[in-house]
Amino acid sequence: DTEVTQTPKHLVMGMTNKKSLKCEQHMGHRAMYWYKQKAKKPPELMFVYSYEKLSINESVPSRFSPECPNSSLLNLHLHALQPEDSALYLCASSQVTGFSGGSGYTFGSGTRLTVV
Amino acid sequence: QQQVKQSPQSLIVQKGGISIINCAYENTAFDYFPWYQQFPGKGPALLIAIRPDVSEKKEGRFTISFNKSAKQFSLHIMDSQPGDSATYFCAADSYTGGFKTIFGAGTRLFVKA
Repeated sequence: DTEVTQTPKHLVMGMTNKKSLKCEQHMGHRAMYWYKQKAKKPPELMFVYSYEKLSINESVPSRFSPECPNSSLLNLHLHALQPEDSALYLCASSQVTGFSGGSGYTFGSGTRLTVV
Repeated sequence: QQQVKQSPQSLIVQKGGISIINCAYENTAFDYFPWYQQFPGKGPALLIAIRPDVSEKKEGRFTISFNKSAKQFSLHIMDSQPGDSATYFCAADSYTGGFKTIFGAGTRLFVKA
């Protein structure tokens, strides 16, 4: 299995809703990431997990809450989002910890989030 | 300041032509330079990557040329096909994992049939 699977593919939520994005990989990668991508822009790092521990939070607002239940799963809990949070949310993994460390990232297809 | 400057922003190439995308970086601590290909509605996919001790790397129709002294690298797509139409991101990264990956702004490539 060489994929990162993200669900759901599309999500529309109101500003008072609570929702979660899910990500799964079975490649044995020890680092997992959440990236946010706006239209026509490069991915923007949000969080990094290394060996299931949060190692980097890029000053992301607390309305985004990551969770890593085990080495294969990564969640992003969403609460009280704003319309400007609408974006493509990408999960990625890499073989080594830290950043891609010379192995590159394997990205999922993303969740297209729309906040109304 | 850590940046990767990518050009052009968009590119139109005839089928069978050569597509060339350029990137320049600033921090000499970077030692891994990947290119990602992204189709609409999909996440980026690692296309090809190079380390600074190599001046060129070729995989099929895709070639990275690397100029360490100029701190520049480029992606060449030979015999460009309509299926290559996508957004391409260069990136600068570190084998030690000590530096955050820096992505270029992206190049939207359209290959005309």
